[in-house]
Amino acid sequence: NAGVTQTPKFRILKIGQSMTLQCAQDMNHNYMYWYRQDPGMGLKLIYYSVGAGITDKGEVPNGYNVSRSTTEDFPLRLELAAPSQTSVYFCASSAGSRNGYTFGSGTRLTVV
Amino acid sequence: DQQVKQNSPSLSVQEGRISILNCDYTNSMFDYFLWYKKYPAEGPTFLISISSIKDKNEDGRFTVFLNKSAKHLSLHIVPSQPGDSAVYFCAARENSGNTPLVFGKGTRLSVIA
Repeated sequence: NAGVTQTPKFRILKIGQSMTLQCAQDMNHNYMYWYRQDPGMGLKLIYYSVGAGITDKGEVPNGYNVSRSTTEDFPLRLELAAPSQTSVYFCASSAGSRNGYTFGSGTRLTVV
Repeated sequence: DQQVKQNSPSLSVQEGRISILNCDYTNSMFDYFLWYKKYPAEGPTFLISISSIKDKNEDGRFTVFLNKSAKHLSLHIVPSQPGDSAVYFCAARENSGNTPLVFGKGTRLSVIA
């Protein structure tokens, strides 16, 4: 049982490049989330989805886009990468809004 | 504006003693609180939770206390073990809609053998 799988684990981007952080879960969870963790700053919500075809902005959505075409996948797209997007990105899923989250192991992104 | 505050960035405790991690919140709509534990290079994992209808929840060595009037919760670990060394995040959820969890900044616990 893989749970939540994030790829890649590490990535270095140049300023202005774009990339997609992949997230897949095999638990048939309806709810999925993207958080970023900056040093000493805790976890901040970027985007979330309550089901296929539905996405909502979180606290820090600027510079990111998401899509949710299937229940399993919730990719996070970075367009025109900036140094401020250097962070560790965590994807999570939950069975419902009142359930605990299962997190992936994270993607460490550096923008230079 | 931080809704969930963990004011102690770090805490060191001797093995076998009690670890107390604190968390304060400002949103009176929060009705469910969780603690997550995070090791380096891993995602956070769920540790223990408490509903606002309770003031205490216990699971083995871990106990969470909730003081609603003070908008304060704490996580007690007794006895502390070296394997408990990790970052602990406090999180909270509102009692309506599909609002996601709000996390604090975390407290790094070091248990010294």
